[in-house]
Amino acid sequence: DAGITQSPRHKVTETGTPVTLRCHQTENHRYMYWYRQDPGHGLRLIHYSYGVKDTDKGEVSDGYSVSRSKTEDFLLTLESATSSQTSVYFCAITGQGNTEAFFGQGTRLTVV
Amino acid sequence: AQTVTQSQPEMSVQEAETVTLSCTYDTSENNYYLFWYKQPPSRQMILVIRQEAYKQQNATENRFSVNFQKAAKSFSLKISDSQLGDTAMYFCAFIIIQGAQKLVFGQGTRLTINP
Repeated sequence: DAGITQSPRHKVTETGTPVTLRCHQTENHRYMYWYRQDPGHGLRLIHYSYGVKDTDKGEVSDGYSVSRSKTEDFLLTLESATSSQTSVYFCAITGQGNTEAFFGQGTRLTVV
Repeated sequence: AQTVTQSQPEMSVQEAETVTLSCTYDTSENNYYLFWYKQPPSRQMILVIRQEAYKQQNATENRFSVNFQKAAKSFSLKISDSQLGDTAMYFCAFIIIQGAQKLVFGQGTRLTINP
């Protein structure tokens, strides 16, 4: 299995609080992605990174920011969590050649 | 814009039957890969099959095969001799093989195999 881990796996937080999710890889892959999964919407891209300090927005980036200060870590931050951000969040990585994307286990975030 | 559309939110078939899941996509690029991923209740994402856009031959993996129509931007998945373990969410996805290489997914199809 590819070395990709997400933390935390579960989190409950209150509306208005900041939240940071971490994606850590040991594969030295260049590309990293954050998605949210909601019923009826599939996997929607939030932000992605194509190198250290190189990031871009996906289709649902409002309310989210990311940082990638080193190859192995890609952080997703909800500056002020809202109930609409309750979801399951997945991190994924791909390497050069893009023959396959590898996924983390997912993080279930509940905003109350 | 790069988009993927799966028009069948849910499908249900009997065990041993053949089922086809539909996927269409939109891109102006010419070099890309297409994927089908399976997500069982465990939430794990499992690669089912992959197709390189430059290859005309349709990919196959045991009971899984695709019908890739590049001009029509269509990429359907056929599952033959379906098994109870095939019950899962199935996602179609593609990635452009240059530039920032954004990986885009469809909405998913929930497939149920009945005994």
